[in-house]
Amino acid sequence: ETGVTQSPTHLIKTRGQQVTLRCSSQSGHNTVSWYQQALGQGPQFIFQYYREEENGRGNFPPRFSGLQFPNYSSELNVNALELDDSALYLCASSPGGQGAPGANVLTFGAGSRLTVL
Amino acid sequence: AQKVTQAQTEISVVEKEDVTLDCVYETRDTTYYLFWYKQPPSGELVFLIRRNSFDEQNEISGRYSWNFQKSTSSFNFTITASQVVDSAVYFCALSESFQGAQKLVFGQGTRLTINP
Repeated sequence: ETGVTQSPTHLIKTRGQQVTLRCSSQSGHNTVSWYQQALGQGPQFIFQYYREEENGRGNFPPRFSGLQFPNYSSELNVNALELDDSALYLCASSPGGQGAPGANVLTFGAGSRLTVL
Repeated sequence: AQKVTQAQTEISVVEKEDVTLDCVYETRDTTYYLFWYKQPPSGELVFLIRRNSFDEQNEISGRYSWNFQKSTSSFNFTITASQVVDSAVYFCALSESFQGAQKLVFGQGTRLTINP
């Protein structure tokens, strides 16, 4: 069973640029969530995608956007990068739509570490 | 609002000692789920346990045990006979149904260092 894979693992951008991060979900999972983890902090929910639609968004500005594809893989796009966007971006997949709400175990990837200079 | 507090930022013990990581949560939901995840230096969050709010039985898995007390809104994690490989950052998380999505609210994490 293949886990969650993310790319790239590390990248460096300058302020004002745009970045795209990619995530392949675990086999059999149809829901993808994205989290931002600043240094020394716990992960913060950005948004979740189910059946190619965003179905929940945390407290992040519109310059954070995403996509989910028919094969359930996903992209996170961040426009107009700011210094505070420097963080580890974690993708997580889950079965979604099954079982009790809130019960799903999220399987996380190793993350993409973004540095904005 | 949902909130998870892990008051211990860092813990350092010598191998074979027992160590307990504290987690306190706040929620208005009557049904909720609590999780513990481990984050090794490689970065990915590794699932350890999920607990339903209706199930207050303590759970033991090898050297790991969890104590869930609804009365004090706590979900503490104990490692018995710690090993160097247990060194990692540990996160407690509360699951919230949010705008139709499942959202995990994480604590700030406890960095555990096991010294040989």
